[in-house]
Amino acid sequence: AQTVTQSQPEMSVQEAETVTLSCTYDTSESDYYLFWYKQPPSRQMILVIRQEAYKQQNATENRFSVNFQKAAKSFSLKISDSQLGDAAMYFCAHSGAGSYQLTFGKGTKLSVIP
Amino acid sequence: DADVTQTPRNRITKTGKRIMLECSQTKGHDRMYWYRQDPGLGLRLIYYSFDVKDINKGEISDGYSVSRQAQAKFSLSLESAIPNQTALYFCATSVQGANTGELFFGEGSRLTVL
Repeated sequence: AQTVTQSQPEMSVQEAETVTLSCTYDTSESDYYLFWYKQPPSRQMILVIRQEAYKQQNATENRFSVNFQKAAKSFSLKISDSQLGDAAMYFCAHSGAGSYQLTFGKGTKLSVIP
Repeated sequence: DADVTQTPRNRITKTGKRIMLECSQTKGHDRMYWYRQDPGLGLRLIYYSFDVKDINKGEISDGYSVSRQAQAKFSLSLESAIPNQTALYFCATSVQGANTGELFFGEGSRLTVL
């Protein structure tokens, strides 16, 4: 069974600073995908970034980047130049290649301090 | 208009009542899912459907049933609602064969069972 662990229930960051959210996962599959989803107070689930496990290069999307450590089964999200709009719940998720479902972590609530 | 639409957005009901949550999508995706979100637990899969004739149980299907009325419509029913089914429910879709694992979410239906 796949599991995803987010060990930080809550985090805070000063506006314009950098923050890293942690995620570890367990899987028996050799090919898979990892995701970070953002859920603002509007409750809409928004895809932030995606990483294919077969790619060694870490994914980046503007101010968002990941540190993917395949051997350690670690997938952290770094948010640079944090903005007030980054305040949200962040969920890490795993999907096997060709799989039918995502397995989610329990989430990290990020607060941004002005 | 949203690509994945859920109705109702919010609902309060009483124990023992039958409740239906509806989901429709204009994305043309084959795969549809129902997830449940509880504070501190992340999102958990209730049911998923690969096409109109294919319905599968997820991690927490007890107490729920689904109907895939058409490719674009997937409804979730609680035959006799109970208070521990109070949660935020998400419908999601994905593309068969895309092999990216990415889900596209509706805006959620918040259900309160008194």
